Amino acid sequence: DSGVTQTPKHLITATGQRVTLRCSPRSGDLSVYWYQQSLDQGLQFLIQYYNGEERAKGNILERFSAQQFPDLHSELNLSSLELGDSALYFCASSESGNVPETQYFGPGTRLLVL
Amino acid sequence: AQTVTQSQPEMSVQEAETVTLSCTYDTSESDYYLFWYKQPPSRQMILVIRQEAYKQQNATENRFSVNFQKAAKSFSLKISDSQLGDAAMYFCAYRSANTGNQFYFGTGTSLTVIP
Repeated sequence: DSGVTQTPKHLITATGQRVTLRCSPRSGDLSVYWYQQSLDQGLQFLIQYYNGEERAKGNILERFSAQQFPDLHSELNLSSLELGDSALYFCASSESGNVPETQYFGPGTRLLVL
Repeated sequence: AQTVTQSQPEMSVQEAETVTLSCTYDTSESDYYLFWYKQPPSRQMILVIRQEAYKQQNATENRFSVNFQKAAKSFSLKISDSQLGDAAMYFCAYRSANTGNQFYFGTGTSLTVIP
């Protein structure tokens, strides 16, 4: 158990819908990362937050947005969902977000878009 | 953009033997970091080992070690005395120290450990 929690574990929804994935980092960690893992594209880095501020941005679609709240939990919002958005979404956390810190990954949220 | 290539989709090793997983990357940067992550069937991502590009000495963590060849842009992972619990998908990853700190991952190598 890494100490990072993600909810929900599984999510099934329809195309065009909007969902919110939630992540709670390890106690004391200030930085949160979001990743998407799909069968055809492998593991993709989406975005990183540090203490409420966006720190780094990867291949995140405009339909997706994220934020980190004052209590340091983070939410990833996915809107206008498409079939191709079906994937495993990971959240990870680290102490300060500096490289080469260890990132602790959560168990992931499996999203299925029908 | 940086790319990370893992040319071995699948590998197998006999228990207690040694196996090497390959990873190459393409970058024009001089300052970066390299990682190996393990993803067991539970699907959690576990950091195995990391290497700072400015360090010439190869990183070692117990039975795991890397062969970092900066000029060749190669970063292989050696697992010694393989154990059944080592069976997993292994991902090689690159992170820039400068340009937006993006992470780039390889497509993974599935390692099977044969009893």
